[in-house]
Amino acid sequence: GAVVSQHPSWVICKSGTSVKIECRSLDFQATTMFWYRQFPKQSLMLMATSNEGSKATYEQGVEKDKFLINHASLTLSTLTVTSAHPEDSSFYICSAIRRVNEQFFGPGTRLTVL
Amino acid sequence: EDQVTQSPEALRLQEGESSSLNCSYTVSGLRGLFWYRQDPGKGPEFLFTLYSAGEEKEKERLKATLTKKESFLHITAPKPEDSATYLCAVPNSGNTPLVFGKGTRLSVIA
Repeated sequence: GAVVSQHPSWVICKSGTSVKIECRSLDFQATTMFWYRQFPKQSLMLMATSNEGSKATYEQGVEKDKFLINHASLTLSTLTVTSAHPEDSSFYICSAIRRVNEQFFGPGTRLTVL
Repeated sequence: EDQVTQSPEALRLQEGESSSLNCSYTVSGLRGLFWYRQDPGKGPEFLFTLYSAGEEKEKERLKATLTKKESFLHITAPKPEDSATYLCAVPNSGNTPLVFGKGTRLSVIA
């Protein structure tokens, strides 16, 4: 299957700092990528849709000024958690669409905010 | 209203004890039903996509089936390495993100 990578795989930061998470499609180009968040023992919840060359589309209840998304190329989308707080601690997972109905997920990034 | 409902929430099996996981969905005009496996601390790993009622797909000890209202993931003679959370998902439409069920946490005991 297609490969999607995320970096870093885990990060610990102090409250108030910003953290950037990268999502890369390694062997295909993806005009659309998605960012999900998953809390312990919960399913994946969509945060936003990232489209190459245009603004991201955020789901209801997700603060666009807090979760900045940039999809600058066909293989890279970044999620920046600004002014992170402990309640932002979660498992962040990206996915990329290779073609219709082929969606591949990254390995996830564990964010812990102290 | 939940579009995807999975049951049971958790399942504990003895090694070799076959069983089935259920995923019921309420979306109209189904554009694919997806099964993923997720290990703790990892992203979902794609297993199957089913598109039409009656379709079946197999991979090792797993077989997925689809009806007009639900999908089953059958696990035959499971092994401890099959322990994981199995997620079912459907797209809202076309090229859109997937809507996931809450998953079934499977534990296979040797």
